[in-house]
Amino acid sequence: DAKTTQPNSMESNEEEPVHLPCNHSTISGTDYIHWYRQLPSQGPEYVIHGLTSNVNNRMASLAIAEDRKSSTLILHRATLRDAAVYYCILSQSNTGNQFYFGTGTSLTVIP
Amino acid sequence: GAVVSQHPSRVICKSGTSVKIECRSLDFQATTMFWYRQFPKQSLMLMATSNEGSKATYEQGVEKDKFLINHASLTLSTLTVTSAHPEDSSFYICSATGGPENAYGYTFGSGTRLTVV
Repeated sequence: DAKTTQPNSMESNEEEPVHLPCNHSTISGTDYIHWYRQLPSQGPEYVIHGLTSNVNNRMASLAIAEDRKSSTLILHRATLRDAAVYYCILSQSNTGNQFYFGTGTSLTVIP
Repeated sequence: GAVVSQHPSRVICKSGTSVKIECRSLDFQATTMFWYRQFPKQSLMLMATSNEGSKATYEQGVEKDKFLINHASLTLSTLTVTSAHPEDSSFYICSATGGPENAYGYTFGSGTRLTVV
């Protein structure tokens, strides 16, 4: 399975944008890029996913590099509730294939 | 949106006993369910994949006789930790996928904190 590499931790000031990077240099043409986040003692929560084109939803934006070897999750205005561990995950299908979690990025939001 | 309910949220059991954890998809039919384990300060580790009506597929290193998985219906999967020991204490999380109602593809339960004493 293609692996992802993320920084262990990042900090952001409240109400400022946050760019969370993810490297996935061995991504295959059929791999989807998923982003989930996890608050302490909770299950992961869906943030966004994409295949080739950039994606936007009410929570975040996903910018995918043209060669698809990296992607960036963008939180437009960080709030204290955005403090979580963010996981970038590759999967060979939009549904039905296993998720193998990496170490993720622990985001701290500073008031 | 799609909802996955996990029960119980917390359980304490004595060493040597068995514990059953339920994972239910509330508003969609889950053709596939996944079980994960997460130790403190670590990431989620996939334990097994189960498809409705068939035997679960376990990841390498996961004992299938210790972690019994049953996926008897399209809305329910159970994980039974048999003869639990303190080292089995962990946060167990399920996820489910399937069905056109599940637009996001994968939905996770809220997790079960198992403590074996």
